[in-house]
Amino acid sequence: DGGITQSPKYLFRKEGQNVTLSCEQNLNHDAMYWYRQDPGQGLRLIYYSQIVNDFQKGDIAEGYSVSREKKESFPLTVTSAQKNPTAFYLCASSNIPGSYNEQFFGPGTRLTVL
Amino acid sequence: GQQVMQIPQYQHVQEGEDFTTYCNSSTTLSNIQWYKQRPGGHPVFLIQLVKSGEVKKQKRLTFQFGEAKKNSSLHITATQTTDVGTYFCAGSRSQGNLIFGKGTKLSVKP
Repeated sequence: DGGITQSPKYLFRKEGQNVTLSCEQNLNHDAMYWYRQDPGQGLRLIYYSQIVNDFQKGDIAEGYSVSREKKESFPLTVTSAQKNPTAFYLCASSNIPGSYNEQFFGPGTRLTVL
Repeated sequence: GQQVMQIPQYQHVQEGEDFTTYCNSSTTLSNIQWYKQRPGGHPVFLIQLVKSGEVKKQKRLTFQFGEAKKNSSLHITATQTTDVGTYFCAGSRSQGNLIFGKGTKLSVKP
């Protein structure tokens, strides 16, 4: 059963702590993406990766970091430098990089910073 | 930076009424995609439009891409309660990443 998994579904952290969100895909997709969704807002791109060991900043990368050591995994770290980290985080993948390709989304992680 | 504007932000309809959401860009888009996000869920791809003036249909859903490739619309005929959710358009310029609109949240009263 192919797809994208994100864990955990809900995450609570204290202010000032770094937290890492997991994203795993078994679709054999080259490209992976991280988006942030706030109420009433669209999806904003944080980071994306077109190939293993390579990633690029999106529109709102400040306060976040990523790694892409394996094709199937693209974890996102929300650092203490992110001023407003409480949000719904969505991971996505596409078969090949580029905007012409359908993106498949994971179920998301809802992060709350107390 | 490039923006994709989507209106309306909310739409409440009676079941059986039609629904339309509009997407506009100040710059020419290479393509546009539409996604649906059910309440509590994640976005799911519906369709992609690439050609100027393109029209595609999926059962009760009709998607259009403007002649100038700067606007798009999604029209649902005779809404059903299963249509509830937020509909997002996402466009890009050539070689760029997708830029998502803020979405239109549709509620359907039975």
